[in-house]
Amino acid sequence: QQQVKQSPQSLIVQKGGISIINCAYENTAFDYFPWYQQFPGKGPALLIAIRPDVSEKKEGRFTISFNKSAKQFSLHIMDSQPGDSATYFCAASITGGYQKVTFGTGTKLQVIP
Amino acid sequence: NAGVMQNPRHLVRRRGQEARLRCSPMKGHSHVYWYRQLPEEGLKFMVYLQKENIIDESGMPKERFSAEFPKEGPSILRIQQVVRGDSAAYFCASSSSPGGNTEAFFGQGTRLTVV
Repeated sequence: QQQVKQSPQSLIVQKGGISIINCAYENTAFDYFPWYQQFPGKGPALLIAIRPDVSEKKEGRFTISFNKSAKQFSLHIMDSQPGDSATYFCAASITGGYQKVTFGTGTKLQVIP
Repeated sequence: NAGVMQNPRHLVRRRGQEARLRCSPMKGHSHVYWYRQLPEEGLKFMVYLQKENIIDESGMPKERFSAEFPKEGPSILRIQQVVRGDSAAYFCASSSSPGGNTEAFFGQGTRLTVV
């Protein structure tokens, strides 16, 4: 049973545009939602994370929007740059537990000049 | 402060051989997690270890797979009698504390190919 669903599978955005990746979760025990960025041949790196007690978190060009009632959250990348081209994973975990992270299936983002 | 170190980066094994994957956590980190990434898929949790203890191995296949994190030395993920379906990228992560919102740092992974 996949507990975190992610879409789209791939995304092509022009430089300067907005990239939007959506995720939905099923397990209401999840209370921590990180996003990871992975470049080819590298491990995932934490990009930004949110807790469900806030509806939005912004760090630079990256914003997470969170809708607790719908059990959905999304990543917006403003002013997308070619250097943002990577695979992005949404994820979820339970803070009272340990780092047993449930990952989405990933979105391969390509930003074209 | 070096990051999480995994070796080898690439490993090729014939069917039936054993694969040993090593992970040295970041300095000061005593919590280690192993994940497997199949092609075009997200990472799947395999096992969580603290020094000398397996805390949660709910994601590990019941047979052929084992993990350890000894008092001294790296964590080892061992796959016996490998099959083609074991071909994947195996990532190790470490954290300084076990909390679910504590950042875990990932290594660059070991890409296992079974021929």
